Amino acid sequence: EAGVTQSPTHLIKTRGQQATLRCSPISGHTSVYWYQQALGLGLQFLLWYDEGEERNRGNFPPRFSGRQFPNYSSELNVNALELEDSALYLCASSLYQGAYSGNTIYFGEGSWLTVV
Amino acid sequence: AQSVSQHNHHVILSEAASLELGCNYSYGGTVNLFWYVQYPGQHLQLLLKYFSGDPLVKGIKGFEAEFIKSKFSFNLRKPSVQWSDTAEYFCAVTPSRNAGNMLTFGGGTRLMVKP
Repeated sequence: EAGVTQSPTHLIKTRGQQATLRCSPISGHTSVYWYQQALGLGLQFLLWYDEGEERNRGNFPPRFSGRQFPNYSSELNVNALELEDSALYLCASSLYQGAYSGNTIYFGEGSWLTVV
Repeated sequence: AQSVSQHNHHVILSEAASLELGCNYSYGGTVNLFWYVQYPGQHLQLLLKYFSGDPLVKGIKGFEAEFIKSKFSFNLRKPSVQWSDTAEYFCAVTPSRNAGNMLTFGGGTRLMVKP
């Protein structure tokens, strides 16, 4: 069974540009999560999508946005890139079965974004 | 909001030594707890998880963790480490009543095992 897949593996952008990262969840999973792993800041929750809708977002500015497609894949868009956006962006997926379910989240290998 | 503390940022052990990595969380309600591992150049992998039941949880590769509710702790243990255990270890928590089960991670512990 294929795991969570992300593309591109590496992306280099200039400050002020936009970056788009893509994620395909594990087959059958309906929820997609995005996390940022920046040097010295640990793993920070960015966004959660389920059934095509944004369900929650972390403490990030609106220039971080995304969407989930009908096939449950997802895009993360980062507009007006800043140097501090350089990080590993991790996508994860789970089968969301309700707020009281013990869902397990599985992670992809991540996309390295470097802003110069 | 919940938070997770991993007090050991870097740990260096020799092969065959015993390992215990600390994890404490802050949250007043019931929680689901996880340990993830990130080997060099690889993605985050689930080591073990606790949802309910027996507080001593066994995971992959000989790892185990014990949930002590009174101490808000979920420490990771392994009796005898190997060089291949060199990695970064992350503790994570989510409230059991959490729409979406978004994880809050600790800062991670880098483990280096000397051969």
